[in-house]
Amino acid sequence: ETGVTQTPRHLVMGMTNKKSLKCEQHLGHNAMYWYKQSAKKPLELMFVYSLEERVENNSVPSRFSPECPNSSHLFLHLHTLQPEDSALYLCASSQDRAEGRTFGSGTRLTVV
Amino acid sequence: GQNIDQPTEMTATEGAIVQINCTYQTSGFNGLFWYQQHAGEAPTFLSYNVLDGLEEKGRFSSFLSRSKGYSYLLLKELQMKDSASYLCAVGNMLTFGGGTRLMVKP
Repeated sequence: ETGVTQTPRHLVMGMTNKKSLKCEQHLGHNAMYWYKQSAKKPLELMFVYSLEERVENNSVPSRFSPECPNSSHLFLHLHTLQPEDSALYLCASSQDRAEGRTFGSGTRLTVV
Repeated sequence: GQNIDQPTEMTATEGAIVQINCTYQTSGFNGLFWYQQHAGEAPTFLSYNVLDGLEEKGRFSSFLSRSKGYSYLLLKELQMKDSASYLCAVGNMLTFGGGTRLMVKP
């Protein structure tokens, strides 16, 4: 595997469910990110991890909980989501925070 | 903070040239990125400008003027597969603009 891989590709969940999104990067990068992309809105930065420490949390609701167990893996734990949380969730990595991002293919999340 | 403006949509003809503009205001500048995103897919890196001037890479070129807070992406010899969204991004935390959806018509 090369690049940034995300699973699952598609996820449908009810508002009372708990699920997790997974991201793995095989590039030896030091920083990992979660972005949210809703229809007709810019990519929104949610969380930034640098060397496994969270360095940015852009006022994201607590129903989204990130976890970075090591520099290659990033999770986004989801619970009691709302229908407006339906979006494409993109994981990305970079060598450091000043550099361009390599994106995964994303998880298309639908909350019903 | 950052503020980035791009046109929402553009249409061009196959074989033509199109210029997609991006204006920005940012508190910290360490380069400007352009990404391409096809519908339902991840953004992919196109270009990076940190100094003023034109960077050419095949059919795609990107220009930067830091004093004007302005960049453009130039696409030559347009192909149908160039139909996609083009995202401009700047700032220490790489804030993205809303993207320009380009439609290439035969």
